Formats: sequence, C-alpha cells, structure tokens
Amino acid sequence: EAGVAQSPRYKIIEKRQSVAFWCNPISGHATLYWYQQILGQGPKLLIQFQNNGVVDDSQLPKDRFSAERLKGVDSTLKIQPAKLEDSAVYLCASSRILGTRANYGYTFGSGTRLTVV
Amino acid sequence: AQSVTQLGSHVSVSEGALVLLRCNYSSSVPPYLFWYVQYPNQGLQLLLKYTSAATLVKGINGFEAEFKKSETSFHLTKPSAHMSDAAEYFCAVTHSGGYQKVTFGIGTKLQVIP
Repeated sequence: EAGVAQSPRYKIIEKRQSVAFWCNPISGHATLYWYQQILGQGPKLLIQFQNNGVVDDSQLPKDRFSAERLKGVDSTLKIQPAKLEDSAVYLCASSRILGTRANYGYTFGSGTRLTVV
Repeated sequence: AQSVTQLGSHVSVSEGALVLLRCNYSSSVPPYLFWYVQYPNQGLQLLLKYTSAATLVKGINGFEAEFKKSETSFHLTKPSAHMSDAAEYFCAVTHSGGYQKVTFGIGTKLQVIP
C-alpha cells in the first residue's frame, strides 16, 4: 500500500509569514494526526482527526495554527503568522484506529522540515 | 495521564555488540507501548508494539522488547548491532480507552561504532 504522503519536504520562510503543509493519509485510514517535532525532542501531538472531525486539538496553538480535513481524507496544517520557535519537522500520521481500538501503530509520513528565519 | 522516560539521549555501541535502549512508562491504566525508529530526514517507522498479549515482543530488523509491569519498563534490545541500526529511537505509550492519544519520549540516538 502507498504510504502517507506529505508536501513540501522542506520550507524556509521569514517570521510573520504564512505557510501550509499538506498530508494525504493511507487509503482507508480513518484517523489522521499532525505532530510537531522540534530538534532534540520527541514528536508532540498538535491535532487528531477522526474522519473529518477533530478529536483532540488541546496542544494546537490556535491563535496561529489551524488544520482541516475536508471530506475525511487529506488534510492541511497552516501557520499564520509563523514565529521562530515554529521551526520544526511537522509529521503527519494515519492509522486504522476507530473508536477505542488502540492496538495499531501509526504510519508516518516523511515530514516537512520548516525553518523560520 | 501517561508518559514515557527514555534514559540516555545518546547511546554508543560497537558493531556486533548488544544494543539496549531503555524506556520506562507511567500510565494510570494498562498501557500499549511502541518503539519507533527514525532515520535521518525520514518519518518514524514502527519497530514493534506491545498490546497486552505476549510480554516479549519481536519486531523488525532483529529488535525485541520485553514488557515488565513490575518495573514499568519496556526496554528495546538487539543481540548484535549493525551499522545500519544507527538512528534515533522513540518509545511511545497509549492505552485502549477512548480515542488513542500516543505520547512519545524524547528519543535516544544510537551510534554504532565500526
């Protein structure tokens, strides 16, 4: 099966600019996640979708970050305006998990490396 | 609440030596535990997972991990390190209740010395 697709792979922007990342999960995977991985740290969950509904966005900085998953398939994550501390790798993952069946691991995309200067 | 602690942000081993990467978890309910590997400029790849079946879990690339409830540990091992094992390894925890939320450790970077 095809993996999780993410684009772009790299992005360099100036602070206060806007940026958007795109993710296409594995076909049939109902759950989609966006993680932020700052250099030297483990991935931190930003937002979790179940189909096209948000399950958890408690750690999403909603004043500048937004995400959507229209039609329950692909998803976009946007930052507006960007800050220096947003420099990180943004990872998208998907899984077959539905409801409480939490015994499947995620499949991750290759990530988008964002550098804010 | 749930968390994992990975002891040692950097581990160096000689090629052919035993690999041991440590992970301790904290969870108020029975946990599901995972180990992921991340190669440079790539996403995370699932190595193995514990989901309350056998306590000794075998994964890909010759890795295995043992769930020890009494020690709240899930250490990752491989009998003989290979140069291609050099990567960053992440331990992660979740549980079966409600929607899955996975919490990752900070990672351990494994260096393999020829």
